[in-house]
Amino acid sequence: EIVLTQTPLSLPVTPGEPASISCRSSQSLVESDDGDTYLDWYLQKPGQSPQLLIFSLSYRASGVPDRFSGSGSGTDFTLKISRVEAEDVGLYYCMQRKEFPSFTFGQGTKLEIK
Amino acid sequence: EVQLVQSGAEVKKPGESLKISCKASGFTFTNYWIGWVRQMPGKGLEWMGIIYPGDSDTTYSPSFQGQVTISADKSINTAYLQWSSLKASDTAMYYCARYADTFDYWGQGTLVTVSS
Repeated sequence: EIVLTQTPLSLPVTPGEPASISCRSSQSLVESDDGDTYLDWYLQKPGQSPQLLIFSLSYRASGVPDRFSGSGSGTDFTLKISRVEAEDVGLYYCMQRKEFPSFTFGQGTKLEIK
Repeated sequence: EVQLVQSGAEVKKPGESLKISCKASGFTFTNYWIGWVRQMPGKGLEWMGIIYPGDSDTTYSPSFQGQVTISADKSINTAYLQWSSLKASDTAMYYCARYADTFDYWGQGTLVTVSS
């Protein structure tokens, strides 16, 4: 089973400042057939269901602001927010789907406003 | 418009059975996998299992294998998650989500509380 480890688990950020969340996988998430990286990012805002932010490493989901970006390779991945806004608070999760139809989530990173 | 509407909150006693539902609309139900995710109070997301309603092909997380049953009724576009004997540790929010090379649409969640 692939294990995903997120850091930090808590991330206080001043509005307007950048933020970065790391996700490390116990195995490569690159699919050899197509070169795609099967790593997605989700945001769960307080009191809401999770919502898709980034899929396949770096593609923003529909409606996601361009201040969000995903990057990385192989086993090390990063979600970056260029300028944090108040509406960005919540829990951020990475998720692997390399082992489809089995999946695993990272532990989650709580972003809060300073 | 794609929608996944889950059944309402449940309060049950240990040992009771339960079946919660996830009704899909706005897409062809039999062409997409539907997954279930648990979130215990104050904790993170845990993938439980996934079903393909087209042929009922189902895969469970090893952590949930034998603990729950996932099913689907394609005649009414509804997926289910059920327990035969609830435990207090099953208290959690449960989400269904559509899988289209990622979990792109999520239900609103069903809160299950198990308490004597």
